[in-house]
Amino acid sequence: DAGVIQSPRHEVTEMGQEVTLRCKPISGHNSLFWYRQTMMRGLELLIYFNNNVPIDDSGMPEDRFSAKMPNASFSTLKIQPSEPRDSAVYFCASSFGASNEKLFFGSGTQLSVL
Amino acid sequence: GESVGLHLPTLSVQEGDNSIINCAYSNSASDYFIWYKQESGKGPQFIIDIRSNMDKRQGQRVTVLLNKTVKHLSLQIAATQPGDSAVYFCAESRQGGKLIFGQGTELSVKP
Repeated sequence: DAGVIQSPRHEVTEMGQEVTLRCKPISGHNSLFWYRQTMMRGLELLIYFNNNVPIDDSGMPEDRFSAKMPNASFSTLKIQPSEPRDSAVYFCASSFGASNEKLFFGSGTQLSVL
Repeated sequence: GESVGLHLPTLSVQEGDNSIINCAYSNSASDYFIWYKQESGKGPQFIIDIRSNMDKRQGQRVTVLLNKTVKHLSLQIAATQPGDSAVYFCAESRQGGKLIFGQGTELSVKP
């Protein structure tokens, strides 16, 4: 199994630009999570989906952030417009069932907003 | 308030020694705990988990101990190897709710 696949691995953009991060969960997993990691705040849950439906988006910082899961094998996290304080590593994770347990993480997207 | 935190932000051990990484949690309603290992440039990797109805669980070279009385969780790594160098995170969840991660402990293994 290829594991959770994220793209791009690195993204450098200018303030105000739209950024789209992509994730392919492990086949057969039906829960998907987006996390953000910074030195100051550690790992923060942004949103999670179960069976492609958003269950908890209370961690999404503000309206500039949006996430979609159009099918079981693909999800996007979009930031529009991006700001320097959005610079972080964004991780996607998936798990089997409706569980928040045993999450399998992707390698992350390192986002730098200049 | 509710929190998951670590006693030691950094830990340095000699290769071959045993390592103990500690974690404190504040919510007695937490019923599931998990340890992750994160190597530089990679995502967190599952190591071992434990439910609140247990106080010990063993894996390959790793043991997790849960002390509910003092709300303390520890990860023991036997015969620490250079490949164990990483940041280790504990996380908790409550009744199937979202995982809350601690800040992490960096383990450095000296050859």
